[in-house]
Amino acid sequence: EPEVTQTPSHQVTQMGQEVILRCVPISNHLYFYWYRQILGQKVEFLVSFYNNEISEKSEIFDDQFSVERPDGSNFTLKIRSTKLEDSAMYFCASSFFYSLHDNEQFFGPGTRLTVL
Amino acid sequence: SQKIEQNSEALNIQEGKTATLTCNYTNYSPAYLQWYRQDPGRGPVFLLLIRENEKEKRKERLKVTFDTTLKQSLFHITASQPADSATYLCALGSSNTGKLIFGQGTTLQVKP
Repeated sequence: EPEVTQTPSHQVTQMGQEVILRCVPISNHLYFYWYRQILGQKVEFLVSFYNNEISEKSEIFDDQFSVERPDGSNFTLKIRSTKLEDSAMYFCASSFFYSLHDNEQFFGPGTRLTVL
Repeated sequence: SQKIEQNSEALNIQEGKTATLTCNYTNYSPAYLQWYRQDPGRGPVFLLLIRENEKEKRKERLKVTFDTTLKQSLFHITASQPADSATYLCALGSSNTGKLIFGQGTTLQVKP
């Protein structure tokens, strides 16, 4: 069964460093998302991406964050200068088609980011 | 501001019983509501979607109801099994970008 994959599973970085989290969405999906979950808290929307551009971003997704689909398979989240409060589990998700009737999202296993 | 509330306390039930989880929301008019399952350290897994014009949806042992007047969804697992033990997340969507807003989840523990 096709699945969303994410690498690395765990990333440890120093505050102020840049990190890139990588995702391979399901191959025929058209819509891509990043969410994050701080330990013990709820899953929070960061950004949605369609047709090679950002569709919507949350207030969390400030200028330190960027997303890219550099080729036909990868979808990346970059954090330019990490802060302690960026420590969280980051989930990539994808969906085949979005309508107001169907938006089943498939989530990856997550990347745990630890900022020291 | 938009608010989604799920029972924060864990729900403990005996195997074979029906588990009922609640999702309430305020200041929001979702086009649809979804339920996901999340196991520790894993990503959410989609279970069911119910649209604003639907009252009830079923899938095997799962049943979801959606009352837009009460602004509430109920999620039922019948004949529960220990393997159903997990955290269940309610998620609302209405934008044209696929954005989902999640509740904090309810942890279900099914005892044999």
